[in-house]
Amino acid sequence: AQSVTQPDIHITVSEGASLELRCNYSYGATPYLFWYVQSPGQGLQLLLKYFSGDTLVQGIKGFEAEFKRSQSSFNLRKPSVHWSDAAEYFCAVGESNQGGKLIFGQGTELSVKP
Amino acid sequence: DGGITQSPKYLFRKEGQNVTLSCEQNLNHDAMYWYRQDPGQGLRLIYYSQIVNDFQKGDIAEGYSVSREKKESFPLTVTSAQKNPTAFYLCASSLARVESTEAFFGQGTRLTVV
Repeated sequence: AQSVTQPDIHITVSEGASLELRCNYSYGATPYLFWYVQSPGQGLQLLLKYFSGDTLVQGIKGFEAEFKRSQSSFNLRKPSVHWSDAAEYFCAVGESNQGGKLIFGQGTELSVKP
Repeated sequence: DGGITQSPKYLFRKEGQNVTLSCEQNLNHDAMYWYRQDPGQGLRLIYYSQIVNDFQKGDIAEGYSVSREKKESFPLTVTSAQKNPTAFYLCASSLARVESTEAFFGQGTRLTVV
């Protein structure tokens, strides 16, 4: 079955510390992978996406993610977290020509300590 | 500015009543989607449409209905058959049948059934 797993429901990091959010997927075809961020009560904003090519992709707000086919993973990283990064983060997988037909993970809530 | 507008932001209805959520986009996207978000469960696809006058069921279509009479609009009706309608509903749109496309999301409608 196609699925996305985000193992960490809630993560707390100190401001200025590095961050890694985990994402594992199970998908029968070539996966097209996304990370979205959601502030409370708001819609989703795309951070970055991977379709093909370089397996390390850069996104907005200083985020990056690395696609590892052998591990079925697409982890999100940021070298130095800012207080404004506190939000919920969703990993999703889909088909390349149906950009909105996505399977989402359960989400990881990020808290940032001063 | 181009974007997706969902209205209203908050909606309260009595149990047993049908209610319609509005979604309008001016991005000239062919494809539109409705997702439901519950705490700890990520987003789940309700219905999607890739072209006017055509739509398909997603993973949790029971108790919902949609129409797509105009390219810009994709309203969702939550019927009295939906057993647990209280949730956050998100509308999205994307290009259709285009490689490397991505979804853009509205700000959501929080529906509370009392």
